Amino acid sequence: SSVLTQPPSVSVAPGQTATFTCAGNKIGNKFVHWYRQKAGQAPALVVSADSDRPSGLPERVSVSNSGNTATLSFSHVEAGDEADYYCQVRDSISDRPVFGGGTKLTVL
Amino acid sequence: EGQVVESGGGLVRPGGSLRLSCSASGFTFSTHTINWVRQAPGKGLEWVSSISSSSYYIDYADLVKGRFSISRDNAQNSASLQMNNLRVEDTALYYCVPWAGGYRDGFDIWGQGTMVTVSS
Repeated sequence: SSVLTQPPSVSVAPGQTATFTCAGNKIGNKFVHWYRQKAGQAPALVVSADSDRPSGLPERVSVSNSGNTATLSFSHVEAGDEADYYCQVRDSISDRPVFGGGTKLTVL
Repeated sequence: EGQVVESGGGLVRPGGSLRLSCSASGFTFSTHTINWVRQAPGKGLEWVSSISSSSYYIDYADLVKGRFSISRDNAQNSASLQMNNLRVEDTALYYCVPWAGGYRDGFDIWGQGTMVTVSS
C-alpha cells in the first residue's frame, strides 16, 4: 500500500514562504489533496487534485506534484497559518485513502 | 453547505463495544461514499472504513477488520460504525467524512468528530 512521508515540522518567519513536502512512490501519478488542521479543530481541505482550491482559500497557496514528491507552498505566511498540514492520496491498488503523517508549521 | 455531525463516542473498557453515528445534511448523502477517519491523541489522520453510496462496496483498515462494521441508511441521511472488541489503541477522535467519489475530489466536509476512549 502507499506510504506518504512528510517532515514532522517546518518553521518560517512571518512573511516568508512555507513549503510542505509529501514523498511517495510515483506520487506524481496520483491526485494529491492537502488538508490543514488548526489546534483543536477538524481538518479542512486546502487544495484538492493538485491544484483545485475550494472557494475562499487564498491565492497565496500553490502546489506541485512530480516524480516522487508533491509540494504545497504558502507564501506570505502569518501567525494564523500555524497548523498541521496533511497530504492524502488514494492507494492505486486498494483504492483506500492514505494520509501522510503530517507536518506542523510553526511561525517564528 | 454540507455538514456532518458525529455522535456516540465515550469511555469504554477494553473488549467493550460502541456504536458511532453520523448525521448528514446540506448535500446529496445518497451519492457519497462515507468514510470514517480517526485521529489518536497527538497523532495523525488514519482511515478506518468506507462504505459506498449503495452499500455495495465496504472496506476496512486491517487494524479494525473483523471488529468494526460500517453501515448506512440513505433514507435517514445517516451512517454508523459499530465497534466491537475495542482495544486501547482504538482510542481516538473519529470523523465521519463524505466523499463525492471523483479522484480529483478531496474530503471537503468534516465534522467535529466524536471521541472514543478505551481504557480500564
